[in-house]
This record gives sequence, structure tokens and C-alpha cells, in this order.
Amino acid sequence: DAKTTQPPSMDCAEGRAANLPCNHSTISGNEYVYWYRQIHSQGPQYIIHGLKNNETNEMASLIITEDRKSSTLILPHATLRDTAVYYCIVRSYNTDKLIFGTGTRLQVFP
Amino acid sequence: DTGVSQDPRHKITKRGQNVTFRCDPISEHNRLYWYRQTLGQGPEFLTYFQNEAQLEKSRLLSDRFSAERPKGSFSTLEIQRTEQGDSAMYLCASSSSTGPLNTEAFFGQGTRLTVV
Repeated sequence: DAKTTQPPSMDCAEGRAANLPCNHSTISGNEYVYWYRQIHSQGPQYIIHGLKNNETNEMASLIITEDRKSSTLILPHATLRDTAVYYCIVRSYNTDKLIFGTGTRLQVFP
Repeated sequence: DTGVSQDPRHKITKRGQNVTFRCDPISEHNRLYWYRQTLGQGPEFLTYFQNEAQLEKSRLLSDRFSAERPKGSFSTLEIQRTEQGDSAMYLCASSSSTGPLNTEAFFGQGTRLTVV
């Protein structure tokens, strides 16, 4: 699976949009971009995934560049409960395991 | 609650003892995964099952580790002769294989193991 690169930490003011970047320059055509988050002392929680089109759900939006070498997870109105470690994962459609990196620690402040 | 359930949530054991953890996946999910997470790191894949068959094992899974899923429902992870380096959070996840791409994996709250 392709490796991803994320900034180790980010801050965001409550109510503002949080934009979390991820580089996956070696992604191949059959690999999806997945985002999970992990709130302290809990298991990872699925957020969203996409292949090449932008995706939106009730939690977040995923913007994937046209060349698919990077993506951005957008939390449109961050709350204090969004404070967590966010993992960007590239996963092949025929691979069941998720390969986690160290993620981005997002701190939302009042 | 019909999420992934893990038991116990916390376990403290003396070095050299055996420990066993249990995971109950979401009932309709046929795939079950075990991960290990140490402080400051992301979860690391250990093994996964499709129904009762263990289809992949990581090199991280030494011969002191064994996982089973006897009836394709709950799973157990046993660590024999525990070492201090086994101290970690052990996470279980489940998903459903429907067509060419699985559904997303749902994780349990984990079992935190401390070996003293």
C-alpha cells in the first residue's frame, strides 16, 4: 500500500473549518483514500473515503486532487469534540488491512 | 449497542503469564481484524479472519500470539509468556465483504494490556 505523509499536528478554532492535508504521491489507480480518526482512549472511527471524485458525508468532505497525489479532509465547522488524531490511509480495493501512519493530531480550541 | 465489543477493557498481568482477549464483532460482519497500538503510534495490523478462516498474519504476530475465530463469530487473541514489550492497546475491528470492496471497518474500544 502507498505511504502517506501528514503534518504531525494542527490547531483549529472552534466553529472554523479544519483542513487536514495528506500527501500520497505514490498512490496507484486502484487505491482508495480513507480517513479515520481516533479520539483519546477510543478505537479509530471511520470518517470518509474516496477514489478520485470529491466526497461529502455528514461528518466531513474529502477533496482529492486531479492527479490523486494528495487530498484534504475538511471538517466544515470544527467543535471541541473533533479534537483527535486523524489518519489518512491509502488502501487497495483488494486489501483488507488498513496501514496506519502516525496521523495528524488536531487540537480544536475555544 | 450493536458495535464491536472487546473484553476486558484493561488487563494488568505479570511478565510470563498468559492472557486472552475477546472480541465480539458486529453480528452481520464476516471479517474480523486485530491490531496493536503503542503510545504515540498508529494501530499496527496483526491478523484478520474471514468467517472462521485466518487469512493473513503479520510478521508482528510472533509464535507467542495466537488468534482464533472458531465459529466465525467472536474471536480470541491469546498471548503466551507475556513480555513487557507486549504492553499496548489491542484493537479489534470488523467489516463486511460485499462485492469488490469491503464496507469500512468498525473498531472496538480496545483492550489495554500492561505487563509488569
